[in-house]
Amino acid sequence: GDSVTQMEGPVTLSEEAFLTINCTYTATGYPSLFWYVQYPGEGLQLLLKATKADDKGSNKGFEATYRKETTSFHLEKGSVQVSDSAVYFCALNPRMDTGRRALTFGSGTRLQVQP
Amino acid sequence: DVKVTQSSRYLVKRTGEKVFLECVQDMDHENMFWYRQDPGLGLRLIYFSYDVKMKEKGDIPEGYSVSREKKERFSLILESASTNQTSMYLCASRSTSGKNEQFFGPGTRLTVL
Repeated sequence: GDSVTQMEGPVTLSEEAFLTINCTYTATGYPSLFWYVQYPGEGLQLLLKATKADDKGSNKGFEATYRKETTSFHLEKGSVQVSDSAVYFCALNPRMDTGRRALTFGSGTRLQVQP
Repeated sequence: DVKVTQSSRYLVKRTGEKVFLECVQDMDHENMFWYRQDPGLGLRLIYFSYDVKMKEKGDIPEGYSVSREKKERFSLILESASTNQTSMYLCASRSTSGKNEQFFGPGTRLTVL
């Protein structure tokens, strides 16, 4: 079945450091890929998404590129801020013809940014 | 903006109690979901409803049931709460047309003593 693997956290960075959170997936065909963010005490919010190979999703300085050849969707940000401290989830939405209509999530990666 | 609300942010119940978690969305979405979130396990799908009165089991349905009598409301029921159901419960909704993004509620942290 479908699966998403994320790097384990916590990831601890200083403010203005470069961020990479790795995400790889296993799925049939061409799923849509997402990054969600969960700030402390809140639900999940969509951060960015990509629906086909080589698409780049971007939002709030974060970027991720859909790489079919490596089945990856790594999240990057050039300069993190303390306010980026949160848990980040990689997820995939399978093709409709697989019969599954819910997202498959990774285990989440906690990011802690220190001033 | 889509709004998904959940009836409680925090809930404490005793083993054996029947527990109801309510979720309401205001955007006329057809699909609604219940997930539980546990450290190191990410989000796991409990149940999914693709329309009123329609439901499908997710990955971990045991010990849970659901009800969708109205389009905007999706209830998760723990028939007899157990300590291993202590978790964060997240509701989500999604439209079947256009974008396939899921919108999440703030979550209910349930503790079963």
